[in-house]
Amino acid sequence: GAVVSQHPSWVICKSGTSVKIECRSLDFQATTMFWYRQFPKQSLMLMATSNEGSKATYEQGVEKDKFLINHASLTLSTLTVTSAHPEDSSFYICSARDSSQVSGELFFGEGSRLTVL
Amino acid sequence: AQSVTQPDIHITVSEGASLELRCNYSYGATPYLFWYVQSPGQGLQLLLKYFSGDTLVQGIKGFEAEFKRSQSSFNLRKPSVHWSDAAEYFCAMGGGNKLTFGTGTQLKVEL
Repeated sequence: GAVVSQHPSWVICKSGTSVKIECRSLDFQATTMFWYRQFPKQSLMLMATSNEGSKATYEQGVEKDKFLINHASLTLSTLTVTSAHPEDSSFYICSARDSSQVSGELFFGEGSRLTVL
Repeated sequence: AQSVTQPDIHITVSEGASLELRCNYSYGATPYLFWYVQSPGQGLQLLLKYFSGDTLVQGIKGFEAEFKRSQSSFNLRKPSVHWSDAAEYFCAMGGGNKLTFGTGTQLKVEL
């Protein structure tokens, strides 16, 4: 099946620094990718929809200046957590759908665990 | 408003026993429904999905789910649980490009 890869799998950073997480569709093109955030023992919350070549669409309550999303190509979306603070520590998961499929399955990356000290 | 409810936060079953994980949804029409499994520190893997047609859906790893419109439910079942099935299970509902997830059910399997 299709593969979505995230990098890094885990990252530890100091408070105030910025962290970039990459999401790649390895064997298909995705005009749209999605970024989710998962708190411990909780469900996934959609943060934003990443659109290739245009601005991301953020869900209500998500700070777009805090969580910068760039979808520069059909196979890559990046999430940058700017000026990270401990409360940003979380598990971030991306997903993507094969643009060539009419009712394609959403494929999820393996997630990126961010710990802000 | 759209919502997905998984009433059971934790479930413990013995290996070899049958399993049913509950999922209820709220949506104005027939939704697309999914079950995902997540192992610790991992992403999500799709177990099965329902779009239309036969209301009993077969998935991977021996799982199945039944869509019941009258009960707004999409419960996940497995006749005989294996220790490797211990994980977090999420029911999700999709309309368009977005998925709405339930809060998950943590499955523990006793040997």
